[in-house]
Amino acid sequence: AQTVTQSQPEMSVQDAETVTLSCTYDTSENNYYLFWYKQPPSRQMILVIRQEAYKQQNATENRFSVNFQKAAKSFSLKISDSQLGDTAMYFCAFMKPTGTASKLTFGTGTRLQVTL
Amino acid sequence: GAVVSQHPSWVICKSGTSVKIECRSLDFQATTMFWYRQFPKQSLMLMATSNEGSKATYEQGVEKDKFLINHASLTLSTLTVTSAHPEDSSFYICSASPLRTENYSYEQYFGPGTRLTVT
Repeated sequence: AQTVTQSQPEMSVQDAETVTLSCTYDTSENNYYLFWYKQPPSRQMILVIRQEAYKQQNATENRFSVNFQKAAKSFSLKISDSQLGDTAMYFCAFMKPTGTASKLTFGTGTRLQVTL
Repeated sequence: GAVVSQHPSWVICKSGTSVKIECRSLDFQATTMFWYRQFPKQSLMLMATSNEGSKATYEQGVEKDKFLINHASLTLSTLTVTSAHPEDSSFYICSASPLRTENYSYEQYFGPGTRLTVT
């Protein structure tokens, strides 16, 4: 079974600064997907970024980028130019693709607080 | 696009009664829907996977007779908590996986969640 570990329960960053959230995972699979989801106070889960394991290039979505280290099984999220709206719980998730019933395995989450 | 709704958004029920939560994909068809449970300040725990027209697959430790799941169409799945007790109080979230296409992304689209309180 796959496991996902987020070792930072809480983090704080000042407005306009950069912050990196850590995620490691354990799997014997070679083909898989990794995700970062954001859950703001509304509790609506929002996809932040997705990485396919067979792609060496790190995924980027505007201010969000990842550092994917497949050999180290590490998948960190960097948020640049942090904004107050980035305040949320961030969950790292692993998926082994098995069709439309592919399951997500979530980490325990990191609570990010953006301050002025 | 890719909107998932849940109804109700919150519900309070008395111990011993049953409550039904609906999950709908509004602008796409979903072969598979997932039901999660989230306790305060914790992560999402997968309860079950439902496929349209077939029985749900429950995760280990989840009572299938207590949490009845029906996936009657490609846009609707329901979770019924039967004989609810206070320990069933939680935040329940559904997600939907769209029909597979050529550029399938494996993304799940999440509903806004339902807060259940059992008194």
